[in-house]
Amino acid sequence: NAGVTQTPKFQVLKTGQSMTLQCAQDMNHEYMSWYRQDPGMGLRLIHYSVGAGITDQGEVPNGYNVSRSTTEDFPLRLLSAAPSQTSVYFCASSLFDRGESPLHFGNGTRLTVT
Amino acid sequence: GNSVTQMEGPVTLSEEAFLTINCTYTATGYPSLFWYVQYPGEGLQLLLKATKADDKGSNKGFEATYRKETTSFHLEKGSVQVSDSAVYFCAPTPDTGRRALTFGSGTRLQVQP
Repeated sequence: NAGVTQTPKFQVLKTGQSMTLQCAQDMNHEYMSWYRQDPGMGLRLIHYSVGAGITDQGEVPNGYNVSRSTTEDFPLRLLSAAPSQTSVYFCASSLFDRGESPLHFGNGTRLTVT
Repeated sequence: GNSVTQMEGPVTLSEEAFLTINCTYTATGYPSLFWYVQYPGEGLQLLLKATKADDKGSNKGFEATYRKETTSFHLEKGSVQVSDSAVYFCAPTPDTGRRALTFGSGTRLQVQP
């Protein structure tokens, strides 16, 4: 009964480094997404996917890449980390990309870029 | 566009007090309405939902009614507990898909013993 699993929980990067945040779900959910949460700004959508092989940009996609090679996994890649990417990142999935299908969230990755 | 308005807080209450957190929204079409809750150090989790007008969602003593005429989905609880301290997010979700889902910055609730 794992749900949505994110790794790592914490990460510190230097400016210019790259890394991948991992997200996996075991619920056979069609829809997966990445959000960032910043103080006073709520959650903002970075990228999302409506199925394996299909990805699209959200509200704040610059500096991030995603891929969806399997239904279960949806990694988020930071290409060249910047201090502005210091944030808490959440992966979320839902059974369908339809309004009535609730989102299931992971416990987040807290990223600090120095 | 889509937007949601809820007070940021913090809302500070004593245990057993009555809670109301207001939520009003604008959205295209006929959205489903959700309240999510975020406990410290955790991700958001679904608290309750309503998918059509006049539906009442309820869970763990919390309730909210889908008011189409006032585009509102206010969260209420008759008697809060210290364990209810968390951040609450109202999230109207259009049927056109998640890309149009808007989260506000949430309302922080602090319940004192």
